[in-house]
Amino acid sequence: EDQVTQSPEALRLQEGESSSLNCSYTVSGLRGLFWYRQDPGKGPEFLFTLYSAGEEKEKERLKATLTKKESFLHITAPKPEDSATYLCASSYSSASKIIFGSGTRLSIRP
Amino acid sequence: EAGVAQSPRYKIIEKRQSVAFWCNPISGHATLYWYQQILGQGPKLLIQFQNNGVVDDSQLPKDRFSAERLKGVDSTLKIQPAKLEDSAVYLCASSLGGGDGYTFGSGTRLTVV
Repeated sequence: EDQVTQSPEALRLQEGESSSLNCSYTVSGLRGLFWYRQDPGKGPEFLFTLYSAGEEKEKERLKATLTKKESFLHITAPKPEDSATYLCASSYSSASKIIFGSGTRLSIRP
Repeated sequence: EAGVAQSPRYKIIEKRQSVAFWCNPISGHATLYWYQQILGQGPKLLIQFQNNGVVDDSQLPKDRFSAERLKGVDSTLKIQPAKLEDSAVYLCASSLGGGDGYTFGSGTRLTVV
């Protein structure tokens, strides 16, 4: 069964304390691996798409990487405004729909 | 570029009542999705449209949920009758298709009491 699993469920960091969020997927024929940010009361906001193992993408303090079985979202020197839920999702070759994980709730303390 | 528009933002109804949600996707986006997001969980796909046609509705509870996409643009999602477990945020998203990233609306928060 195609599945996306994220860990940890919640993460509390001090401002400036770097860390990584994990997303493991069991999707046959991966077409794309997506990262979204979701703020309370809002819809998910697109961050990155990764298509092949070894690919990396960066945006400000965020960097996403992809291996054959998992993806990591690295957060470098986070700020309180980076607090949000980060969702990982994958699409597979036979369909255009995206399967989401349950998310990691990230909280950055000043 | 205008985003995905959804209305209403909030809705509170009693169980067994009916409710409808509306979505206007980004202009030119052929693919439209309705997702259900229960508090603390990731979004779960309910139905996917490609232009006017349904591509995937395998997780739509068809005994109570229905959806249509008018002229390949706007879409409505209806629940009749609602149950307590339908309390969730209903998200609409659209894309050009082909499995690339979506753009989501802000969602409709439904509370069934």
